[in-house]
Amino acid sequence: NAGVTQTPKFQVLKTGQSMTLQCAQDMNHNSMYWYRQDPGMGLRLIYYSASEGTTDKGEVPNGYNVSRLNKREFSLRLESAAPSQTSVYFCASSEWTGGKDTQYFGPGTRLTVL
Amino acid sequence: AQKVTQAQTEISVVEKEDVTLDCVYETRDTTYYLFWYKQPPSGELVFLIRRNSFDEQNEISGRYSWNFQKSTSSFNFTITASQVVDSAVYFCALSEARYSSASKIIFGSGTRLSIRP
Repeated sequence: NAGVTQTPKFQVLKTGQSMTLQCAQDMNHNSMYWYRQDPGMGLRLIYYSASEGTTDKGEVPNGYNVSRLNKREFSLRLESAAPSQTSVYFCASSEWTGGKDTQYFGPGTRLTVL
Repeated sequence: AQKVTQAQTEISVVEKEDVTLDCVYETRDTTYYLFWYKQPPSGELVFLIRRNSFDEQNEISGRYSWNFQKSTSSFNFTITASQVVDSAVYFCALSEARYSSASKIIFGSGTRLSIRP
């Protein structure tokens, strides 16, 4: 059981470039999430997917798009990267149980935008 | 609006000391869940504990204990006889049960704990 995996682990982009962060989980969870972590700000929710075929905005969705490819995979796309998107990105998954579900996190992707 | 406040940005103690990490939350809901996560220097987020709003019993797991007090909206975390391996950033988080499909967790800004040998 790998849990939640993310690729790549590190990435450097130039302003205006695009890229997709990949996330996969093998726990058969319905819900998946993308967060960003900035120094001193904890984690902030970008987008989430309650189930296959659905996606919703979180707290900071601007500049990002997501795709729930299937039950296992949830990708995050930056169409035109900006320096403000320099951050560590975490993917998480959980099994919906009325709010008490525990989210399990991937190892993170450290993204730098120059 | 829901909010989680971890007022202690950084704490440094000597090994074997006890240390308490504070967490204060705000929510309008009567049913909610509180979490603690640990982020060691390696960067991953490790789930430590989940409590629901109806269960105010303190919990102890080895050297870790959690004190949940609804009256003060606090969910504090104590490490007894701290060890260098406890050095990490600790996040307190809140999830409300009113969402119908997926949990939205609100994280505090974290407390960086350093244990000196």
